[in-house]
Amino acid sequence: GQQVMQIPQYQHVQEGEDFTTYCNSSTTLSNIQWYKQRPGGHPVFLIQLVKSGEVKKQKRLTFQFGEAKKNSSLHITATQTTDVGTYFCAGFNDYKLSFGAGTTVTVRA
Amino acid sequence: EADIYQTPRYLVIGTGKKITLECSQTMGHDKMYWYQQDPGMELHLIHYSYGVNSTEKGDLSSESTVSRIRTEHFPLTLESARPSHTSQYLCASRQGHTQYFGPGTRLTVL
Repeated sequence: GQQVMQIPQYQHVQEGEDFTTYCNSSTTLSNIQWYKQRPGGHPVFLIQLVKSGEVKKQKRLTFQFGEAKKNSSLHITATQTTDVGTYFCAGFNDYKLSFGAGTTVTVRA
Repeated sequence: EADIYQTPRYLVIGTGKKITLECSQTMGHDKMYWYQQDPGMELHLIHYSYGVNSTEKGDLSSESTVSRIRTEHFPLTLESARPSHTSQYLCASRQGHTQYFGPGTRLTVL
C-alpha cells in the first residue's frame, strides 16, 4: 500500500531561524496536503498541492510539490513560537488520505 | 473551520465496558473517517464511510465498529473496552480533497 514518510521526526529550532521538513511517498500522488496540529489539538488543514512542481506560499510558510508528484516540502522562515506543533503531510490517492508520521516542531526563544 | 463535533471530549472507563464515541457534522459531507492517534504520533485510519449505509475498515486493524445511518452521524463503538484502546480518536469529514477534523475524544481505559 501507499506509504508516506516524513523527515525529520523532530525539529528543534531557534526562534528566528529557518527550517525545512520533507515528505516522501512510495507512490505517485494525485495531490498532497499539509496539516498542522497544535499540542493537545486536532489537525487543521493548511494547504493542498496538486500540480507537478507547484509552489505555494502562506506568509512565512512555503510548500512545494515535487516534479514527479512523489515528494513535498514545507519551509518555514523566521520561525516564531506560534509555529510550535506537529506538521503532517498527507498523500491523496485511491480516494483516501495517507498521513505521514509528522514533524514535531519546538522553538527555543 | 468546518462544523464537526465529537462527544465526549474525554472519557475514562473500566475494562470490559461498551462505549460509543459520537461524531456529527452539519455540512452534509458524504465522506467521513475515524482515526486513532497516540500522543505525538501519526494518525491511523481505522474506519471510513462514503455515504449512508457505507462503511469500510481502514488501514489499522481495530476492534471497533461503526455505522452510518444518517449522513451527519458516524458513531464508533467498542463492544468491550481494553487498556490497549487507550488513545485519541479523531473523526473527520471530507469535502473535495480537504478533510476537516473534529476536536477528538481522549479515551482512557483502566
